[in-house]
Amino acid sequence: KQEVTQIPAALSVPEGENLVLNCSFTDSAIYNLQWFRQDPGKGLTSLLLIQSSQREQTSGRLNASLDKSSGRSTLYIAASQPGDSATYLCAGPLDSNYQLIWGAGTKLIIKP
Amino acid sequence: GAVVSQHPSRVICKSGTSVKIECRSLDFQATTMFWYRQFPKQSLMLMATSNEGSKATYEQGVEKDKFLINHASLTLSTLTVTSAHPEDSSFYICSAPEAGVNYGYTFGSGTRLTVV
Repeated sequence: KQEVTQIPAALSVPEGENLVLNCSFTDSAIYNLQWFRQDPGKGLTSLLLIQSSQREQTSGRLNASLDKSSGRSTLYIAASQPGDSATYLCAGPLDSNYQLIWGAGTKLIIKP
Repeated sequence: GAVVSQHPSRVICKSGTSVKIECRSLDFQATTMFWYRQFPKQSLMLMATSNEGSKATYEQGVEKDKFLINHASLTLSTLTVTSAHPEDSSFYICSAPEAGVNYGYTFGSGTRLTVV
């Protein structure tokens, strides 16, 4: 059974720091991996999607990597800002169907 | 990019009444829609998967007669919470695979349901 774990569960850092959020999964058959952010009381915003054949994706200050062999993905946030404060979730579908398997999220607080 | 429009964003209803939540794919055809609920400070919990033109598949423990899902067209899926009770109060979110983006997903903005 596919399980997705996110570490740390919560993180509070001063503004300007570079930080890494981790996502690990047990089944390397994950088809792709997507990182989302969720602001309190809001829906989810897709940040980055890494296809199975890709190693990383970049968007602005965000960089996500995927290593299927080790069952890990990381989200790197450069020069963090207070507006980055949110819960970050990783999820991916197995090959067999569309159903996403979710991590529990990392709650990030960036202090001004 | 692909957009899923979800309405209403907030709804307050009385116990015993029914509430309908709509999710529309605006610029792509959503043959599949996922419905989630989320309790405060918890992760998303998949409730059911709807496929256009067929019956929804419900996750274990989700009452299909209470949470009616209809996916009658390629751009519209609805979730109706019937005979709502306070314990149904939650945040409901829909999601669809983005056509042409090879299994990436887009999410609705969510519906905050409060049953009083």
